[in-house]
Amino acid sequence: DAKTTQPTSMDCAEGRAANLPCNHSTISGNEYVYWYRQIHSQGPQYIIHGLKNNETNEMASLIITEDRKSSTLILPHATLRDTAVYYCIVSGNNRKLIWGLGTSLAVNP
Amino acid sequence: GAVVSQHPSWVICKSGTSVKIECRSLDFQATTMFWYRQFPKQSLMLMATSNEGSKATYEQGVEKDKFLINHASLTLSTLTVTSAHPEDSSFYICSAPGGSGRRGEQFFGPGTRLTVL
Repeated sequence: DAKTTQPTSMDCAEGRAANLPCNHSTISGNEYVYWYRQIHSQGPQYIIHGLKNNETNEMASLIITEDRKSSTLILPHATLRDTAVYYCIVSGNNRKLIWGLGTSLAVNP
Repeated sequence: GAVVSQHPSWVICKSGTSVKIECRSLDFQATTMFWYRQFPKQSLMLMATSNEGSKATYEQGVEKDKFLINHASLTLSTLTVTSAHPEDSSFYICSAPGGSGRRGEQFFGPGTRLTVL
């Protein structure tokens, strides 16, 4: 079973920030938080991952709460091409990823 | 860099035939690859872990004699669906973990859509 909880769907206006929440209250100390996204009928794409510190890359920012029980993925300026299903996954170092149903993000013009 | 390809991108076959799907890491070596299956409107389900030079590790409930995995080299893993039936119709996706400098990332192939008539 997936160890994360995400809203089923979200909407965002083009050009605005998209904030996608994820709850992972049972995360272990050695588990990372990973975010991937899947555009319809394509393979998933890695976005970002973190352990306990906030992370930022060219695609997004990841904010992890101090107790590590939840996190938020931030797409700072959403575009239509960001419409996808976003998956939050917690995993240790064995690199096996267990996928939940994710959040279907619709970016609207 | 870090591109994973799959071939074919789609295949239609008759019930009872076998289908081979290739997964290649194009610009990096992958001693481990993962095979997933995804049914419409569902999430990815991990089927097996492909290990170069050794047997694949299958997840619970996945028939190893039906889904044959061969990790022939550091850049190629193949999944053969034997005696395919309509219920095997699905989207099959492979992935490979990133190498040094990109640990924590997995790179996914574009997927192979299998339709069994």
